[in-house]
Amino acid sequence: AQKITQTQPGMFVQEKEAVTLDCTYDTSDPSYGLFWYKQPSSGEMIFLIYQGSYDQQNATEGRYSLNFQKARKSANLVISASQLGDSAMYFCAMREVSGSARQLTFGSGTQLTVLP
Amino acid sequence: EPEVTQTPSHQVTQMGQEVILRCVPISNHLYFYWYRQILGQKVEFLVSFYNNEISEKSEIFDDQFSVERPDGSNFTLKIRSTKLEDSAMYFCASGIPTGGAEKLFFGSGTQLSVL
Repeated sequence: AQKITQTQPGMFVQEKEAVTLDCTYDTSDPSYGLFWYKQPSSGEMIFLIYQGSYDQQNATEGRYSLNFQKARKSANLVISASQLGDSAMYFCAMREVSGSARQLTFGSGTQLTVLP
Repeated sequence: EPEVTQTPSHQVTQMGQEVILRCVPISNHLYFYWYRQILGQKVEFLVSFYNNEISEKSEIFDDQFSVERPDGSNFTLKIRSTKLEDSAMYFCASGIPTGGAEKLFFGSGTQLSVL
């Protein structure tokens, strides 16, 4: 079974509008972390935002916020006031804390295109 | 802001040759990782390194791969005899525990092309 599912291979948004990128996850570990990374066409992986499973509030970092719905196992990324420079691939990832594994498991990504 | 540095940004090699990919993790980080991304595919975990030893590795990380932290700053990935299917973007990452799960920061990657 997929641990991280991103169902939107591509998304379009108008500049200055908000956009939500979907991510659902599957784990039986009560302690885990969820991450979003941005990968522009140049290839680097840029850390955007992190949410811990025990965090009471949704994470926010500037124009990025994470809509964390634990019961639904979803961790959607919301980008407010989209800019042309937001056009990139966006990856959701998860790390389960309780076990010995420390690796991140990535979703397949969503290609976001911001239209002028 | 501190960042993970990788060199070279691009590496072209002949099949069967050895390559070493280099990384300088963020200085106060404790955990170090290599990931790779074949073109158009997911980012895949290769290996994690903590306290000067491998703590975890994936099935991709076979005997052709090795990692080393030769001094206090560098972290290297060696591929002993490259294959065509090793062509990928290789990312180094480092992390430090933060309240139960660590945040991972990635370098800008090394694009490896095996001819």
